[in-house]
Amino acid sequence: DTAVSQTPKYLVTQMGNDKSIKCEQNLGHDTMYWYKQDSKKFLKIMFSYNNKELIINETVPNRFSPKSPDKAHLNLHINSLELGDSAVYFCASSRQTGVNNSPLHFGNGTRLTVT
Amino acid sequence: ELKVEQNPLFLSMQEGKNYTIYCNYSTTSDRLYWYRQDPGKSLESLFVLLSNGAVKQEGRLMASLDTKARLSTLHITAAVHDLSATYFCAVDSSGGSEKLVFGKGTKLTVNP
Repeated sequence: DTAVSQTPKYLVTQMGNDKSIKCEQNLGHDTMYWYKQDSKKFLKIMFSYNNKELIINETVPNRFSPKSPDKAHLNLHINSLELGDSAVYFCASSRQTGVNNSPLHFGNGTRLTVT
Repeated sequence: ELKVEQNPLFLSMQEGKNYTIYCNYSTTSDRLYWYRQDPGKSLESLFVLLSNGAVKQEGRLMASLDTKARLSTLHITAAVHDLSATYFCAVDSSGGSEKLVFGKGTKLTVNP
């Protein structure tokens, strides 16, 4: 009974392709996120959704499009993949901050390699 | 823009020794988080620090927060090999916005 689950765990694809990563959480959390961890282990937020509504959209190329069909799911679609997109993408969730100050619960990550 | 700096970025220590990891941040915030990441794994929440002077302890790790100095510390007591991991601090950039800014991480290696 994994709390935050992402699929796939590994994704190897060629430049120019379009791919999606899926994320689901069964914690009943209101807020979900996508973070990118680069080769130097630096973590940076990409997007945040609260109850299906986009609330944080960092300076991420338009090729990245998140979609939240319901508050338990947040998917990430990437168009026209580039070499620089290679990274580990982490999905995370939390109870609504400002109320409970709960930490983020992270998925196991998706290691994307673009060749 | 909030900046979060950790030091050291790499730490190699012997079992049984004590050491402290520092996390400085540039703008006012009263919420700070510590996470642990094992190689190739996810991030695990260690501590949530919510107020000035907050101190939390779990096993050989103790975290503290000084919001006036904009500084948090993660103190390791009598290190053991199992503590080898990368430790991240993360600061809430503007209370309630659900946006955490992470430090670059401290890679800790505990040698027997």
